[in-house]
Amino acid sequence: EIVMTQSPATLSVSPGESATLSCRASHSISYNLGWYQQKSGQAPRLLIYGASTRATGIPARFSGSGSGTEFTLTISSLQSEDFAVYYCQHYHNWPFGFGQGTKVEIK
Amino acid sequence: QVQLVESGGGVVQPGRSLRLSCTTSGFIFSDYAMHWVRQAPGKGPEWVAVIGYDGKNDNYLDSVKGRFTISRDKSKNTLHLQMNSLRVDDTAVYYCARDKGNYGSGTVMAFWGQGTLVTVSS
Repeated sequence: EIVMTQSPATLSVSPGESATLSCRASHSISYNLGWYQQKSGQAPRLLIYGASTRATGIPARFSGSGSGTEFTLTISSLQSEDFAVYYCQHYHNWPFGFGQGTKVEIK
Repeated sequence: QVQLVESGGGVVQPGRSLRLSCTTSGFIFSDYAMHWVRQAPGKGPEWVAVIGYDGKNDNYLDSVKGRFTISRDKSKNTLHLQMNSLRVDDTAVYYCARDKGNYGSGTVMAFWGQGTLVTVSS
């Protein structure tokens, strides 16, 4: 089973600044990684798939990078609606797995 | 637009069974793999199961193998999750989700329902 580890657990950022979130896989997953945003009381929302491709309707300030075991989600110029919890998810093999999440909070 | 509506959640005693359903609309159901994902209170999402677009293949989280069964009814555009031998740690909101790509066996979850709460307690 591939284990996904996200860091940091919490990120305090001021509006307008950028945020960099990390996700590490316990084994190589090539580019088989997605990122999700979740706000309180809502279902997760797909942001990125294939490690770097934005899903339909996702603003360009969200960007993903990485391959193998190290991945990054960058949110440039944070907007008020971006403060949420972010999860990475691998789909390299079964069982698929999520990281434990990074909470992006207002500084 | 794509819509996914889960039903069937509730309170159940340990060891009992429950069947969740997910009614879908707004897309060609038989073209997409479908997932169940759960989220325990205060925790992150946990992938549970996937069924291929044609219903021929399925895969499960290790802790639910042999207890849960995912299935799909093409005639009713509906996804199911039969949950047997329920445990306290199965307590969670259960989401159904449509895969992003068509004709695949599962990747990322592009569309999600609102979830249905399953509480396993004596």
